[in-house]
Amino acid sequence: RKEVEQDPGPFNVPEGATVAFNCTYSNSASQSFFWYRQDCRKEPKLLMSVYSSGNEDGRFTAQLNRASQYISLLIRDSKLSDSATYLCVVNGASSGTYKYIFGTGTRLKVLA
Amino acid sequence: GAVVSQHPSRVICKSGTSVKIECRSLDFQATTMFWYRQFPKQSLMLMATSNEGSKATYEQGVEKDKFLINHASLTLSTLTVTSAHPEDSSFYICSAQKGQRGAYEQYFGPGTRLTVT
Repeated sequence: RKEVEQDPGPFNVPEGATVAFNCTYSNSASQSFFWYRQDCRKEPKLLMSVYSSGNEDGRFTAQLNRASQYISLLIRDSKLSDSATYLCVVNGASSGTYKYIFGTGTRLKVLA
Repeated sequence: GAVVSQHPSRVICKSGTSVKIECRSLDFQATTMFWYRQFPKQSLMLMATSNEGSKATYEQGVEKDKFLINHASLTLSTLTVTSAHPEDSSFYICSAQKGQRGAYEQYFGPGTRLTVT
């Protein structure tokens, strides 16, 4: 089983739609969780950290469920510019370091 | 801010030659930097953790004698791909760790696209 799993997509949605991505992780000792966005042939950029209480940043809402070991990202009122690959990232706490473990990413295409 | 630069952004080299890639944190000091590799349509795979003033820690399956890492200062880490082969062609991305224990975040450089002919 992969340490971090995501549905690869692609998710094709019309502009203005709400779309949700889920991610599951296998290491229950993981402490930090993030969503990154990666555009084609570019580096990942931090979208938001994910906190236990859930957090929101504009149109983006992240949730963490430690009991079920999954993280979600909700995008409301999607824009064409939201088209990208969204990477779920979990830190590798078991080794005592802060290594990131990346999911394979979920591709989103927002259509006009 | 948290800006990380990488140089070069793109390099083409012949099989058997060595290539050095630089990663710099421009506006913060980073005792820890990470080197990743990404093949097309795949996720980032961590190659090694680079610690300032000490030896790098390599992930399983990554040859330390082939991928030489030097973290000589708090703002610079270098990755040298020695005796490069076509299968080493990939997108190499570094990141620099910022923050305090329990609240670290990684900021990524723009990546270096290596093509070995």
